[in-house]
Amino acid sequence: DAGVTQSPTHLIKTRGQQVTLRCSPISGHKSVSWYQQVLGQGPQFIFQYYEKEERGRGNFPDRFSARQFPNYSSELNVNALLLGDSALYLCASRSLKGLSSYNEQFFGPGTRLTVL
Amino acid sequence: DQQVKQNSPSLSVQEGRISILNCDYTNSMFDYFLWYKKYPAEGPTFLISISSIKDKNEDGRFTVFLNKSAKHLSLHIVPSQPGDSAVYFCAAIEGGSNYKLTFGKGTLLTVNP
Repeated sequence: DAGVTQSPTHLIKTRGQQVTLRCSPISGHKSVSWYQQVLGQGPQFIFQYYEKEERGRGNFPDRFSARQFPNYSSELNVNALLLGDSALYLCASRSLKGLSSYNEQFFGPGTRLTVL
Repeated sequence: DQQVKQNSPSLSVQEGRISILNCDYTNSMFDYFLWYKKYPAEGPTFLISISSIKDKNEDGRFTVFLNKSAKHLSLHIVPSQPGDSAVYFCAAIEGGSNYKLTFGKGTLLTVNP
């Protein structure tokens, strides 16, 4: 079975540009979360989507947005890129047996974004 | 404001010996804790977890201990193997928020043959 997949693997953008990152969850997983990992830090929560609705948002500016599609894949959009947005962007999916259960989150390999 | 702290950026141990990775937290609302392992060019992989109602959870060579009064948890790997060399992240989940992982900065474990 395929794990969580993300595209592209690497991306180079310049300041002020916009970027779209894509994530396909494990088959059957309806929840997708996005994390940002800056070099030397742990991953930081950005968004969670479940059944195409935003269910949680981390402390990130409005330049960050996301959406989830009917097939449960997801896109993360970042507008007006800053140098500080350079990071590894991780997508995680999980199967929810119930909204109150702590189901394991499975992470993709990430997209390495470099902003010049 | 780091709510999950891993104060040791790196740890080096000999193969066959015990590896002990430590993690401290400040948020009293955390009630579930996890350890993830990360190899270069891969996403974090779930290793082991523990609920706040327990003080120990064991899975093969991996054991996690939780000391709620000290807000401290540790991961023990016995015996350590060279394939265990990776970055280990401690993460926590706040009660009522079953999806948002709060991570520490990670500890790079190197197991020498």
